[in-house]
Amino acid sequence: DIQMTQSPSSLSASVGDRLTITCRASQSISSHLNWYQHRPGKAPKLLIYGASSLQSGVPSRFSGSGSGTDFTLSISGLQPEDFAIYYCQQSYNIPWTFGQGTRVEIK
Amino acid sequence: QVQLQESGPGLVNPSETLSLSCTVSGGSFSSYYWSWIRQPPGKGLEWIGYINFRGTTKDNPSLKSRVTLSIDMSKNQFSLRLTSVTAADTAVYFCAREGVAVAAIDYWGQGTLVTVSS
Repeated sequence: DIQMTQSPSSLSASVGDRLTITCRASQSISSHLNWYQHRPGKAPKLLIYGASSLQSGVPSRFSGSGSGTDFTLSISGLQPEDFAIYYCQQSYNIPWTFGQGTRVEIK
Repeated sequence: QVQLQESGPGLVNPSETLSLSCTVSGGSFSSYYWSWIRQPPGKGLEWIGYINFRGTTKDNPSLKSRVTLSIDMSKNQFSLRLTSVTAADTAVYFCAREGVAVAAIDYWGQGTLVTVSS
């Protein structure tokens, strides 16, 4: 299975901050990388697919980049509703696998 | 707006079979993969498997052939059966929709907690 490693595992930030979350794959996955946001008690939400494509309806402050093994999710101008857990997921080889998550908390 | 809702028992005895259903509303049932993902308490997300409208399935080898996926297009439902459960199968189970052209999970249910305990 392809292992996905996210960093950091958690971070504290303030409204208005810009932050970056990193995801590394244990082998090359080309651009088959997706990002999700999960707020407690809510359904997870697709933010970015194909490493850098913004899902319809997702605010443009979210962006993704990378290819091969190293990927980043950036949020510019953090909003109160962005405090959540973020997961990366590879869709290159079955079984799909997820990173362990990055918890974004209010500073 | 596509919505998915999981249903099924919240408590299952060890060694028995976990059965969940997912009802889909607000969108086409064909041309997608219908997935199950789970999250044990305090742990990360684990992909269980998916099925398409033709009944073609893929599942996670880590579950050692304990998984059966089925689909009922007349009810807009798909289902998961997981046999011989243990405490390690205690988790929040999510049903979800995955695109075919774009391999990403674009709609998720809110999840249902299933506890394996006697």
